[in-house]
Amino acid sequence: KAGVTQTPRYLIKTRGQQVTLSCSPISGHRSVSWYQQTPGQGLQFLFEYFSETQRNKGNFPGRFSGRQFSNSRSEMNVSTLELGDSALYLCASSPPGRGYDGYTFGSGTRLTVV
Amino acid sequence: AQSVTQPDIHITVSEGASLELRCNYSYGATPYLFWYVQSPGQGLQLLLKYFSGDTLVQGIKGFEAEFKRSQSSFNLRKPSVHWSDAAEYFCAVGARTGANNLFFGTGTRLTVIP
Repeated sequence: KAGVTQTPRYLIKTRGQQVTLSCSPISGHRSVSWYQQTPGQGLQFLFEYFSETQRNKGNFPGRFSGRQFSNSRSEMNVSTLELGDSALYLCASSPPGRGYDGYTFGSGTRLTVV
Repeated sequence: AQSVTQPDIHITVSEGASLELRCNYSYGATPYLFWYVQSPGQGLQLLLKYFSGDTLVQGIKGFEAEFKRSQSSFNLRKPSVHWSDAAEYFCAVGARTGANNLFFGTGTRLTVIP
């Protein structure tokens, strides 16, 4: 059974640009959550999508957005990148009927903003 | 406000020695409690979780954790550490109702020396 797949694994962008990260959940999982991991702030919740709808949102500026497709794959977008957006972005998928207690995490996308 | 405290940023133990990683939480009500491990360049792997019942929880890789309500703690233990246990360990809490996301501690990095 394939795990949670995040692409790309590494990304370098310039300040002011925008970026799109992708997360393919485990087959059958319909919930996808995104977290940002930085050395200073640790792991922080960005948002959760379920059945193509944002169900929960963390405390991040509007530059951070996401969406989910009918096949449950999710993308997150960061516009007008800032140096502080450099982080490991992790997504986690959950099976139906389970939330964070059913998380399987991907390996993450390492974003570096220069 | 919810918070999770892991007071030890970095711990070094000898292979074969016992290990205890501390976790304290502040929450409105007793949350669900988790321990995750993260190896370099990887996502998070669930070690164990506590929802209710027996306050001593067994997990994978020989880890266990004890929930102490009076101390708002959920410390992780292992009787004999292996070199492969070197990684970063995260304690996390989640609400029993409402928001479907986890709050993480800042992590404890474990170094194992031969």
